[in-house]
Amino acid sequence: DGGITQSPKYLFRKEGQNVTLSCEQNLNHDAMYWYRQDPGQGLRLIYYSQIVNDFQKGDIAEGYSVSREKKESFPLTVTSAQKNPTAFYLCASSPPRDSDYEQYFGPGTRLTVT
Amino acid sequence: GDSVTQMEGPVTLSEEAFLTINCTYTATGYPSLFWYVQYPGEGLQLLLKATKADDKGSNKGFEATYRKETTSFHLEKGSVQVSDSAVYFCALRGKDWGSQGNLIFGKGTKLSVKP
Repeated sequence: DGGITQSPKYLFRKEGQNVTLSCEQNLNHDAMYWYRQDPGQGLRLIYYSQIVNDFQKGDIAEGYSVSREKKESFPLTVTSAQKNPTAFYLCASSPPRDSDYEQYFGPGTRLTVT
Repeated sequence: GDSVTQMEGPVTLSEEAFLTINCTYTATGYPSLFWYVQYPGEGLQLLLKATKADDKGSNKGFEATYRKETTSFHLEKGSVQVSDSAVYFCALRGKDWGSQGNLIFGKGTKLSVKP
């Protein structure tokens, strides 16, 4: 079955530590995205990548970093510079931007930093 | 820039009641419009979509019509079930170069259906 996997589902870290969230897709999609979800605020775009070895900042990129070395993978690192990292993180992918296709979402990773 | 406004929740209904969740948008050109659903603790799933004016998207008893004249894409269902309890997101995907094809989401509307 094609889809998007995110691991782990729950992640706990101490303040001051960097942490990397995994996102893998086998849909052969060019574009991949990272969103952050907080209660009552909907989804906010962190980073996106339209093609391998290229990515752009979204609306709330500060304190985050990404890489896109392979088409299938788009890991997100939450750095110690992110002031409020506790949130639900969603990864998505889609066909090229000039299509009418939707984005497909993974199951999400809930990160708790104490 | 592009934006989506949807009615704030939470919305609480009894089983078999009629559901409407309002969604309006602001965008240049003619975006594609989507409704996503999120069940507790899960990612988002596409519920339905419409890619041009007057298109009607439908799935699982839910419907929404792309109204260009009112820039709206309201979600409706004739008879809700307890299993429809979830958060519903309206979204648009711009087609002009500046949008980068990114999805713009509304803040979400939480629906609770009581037996």
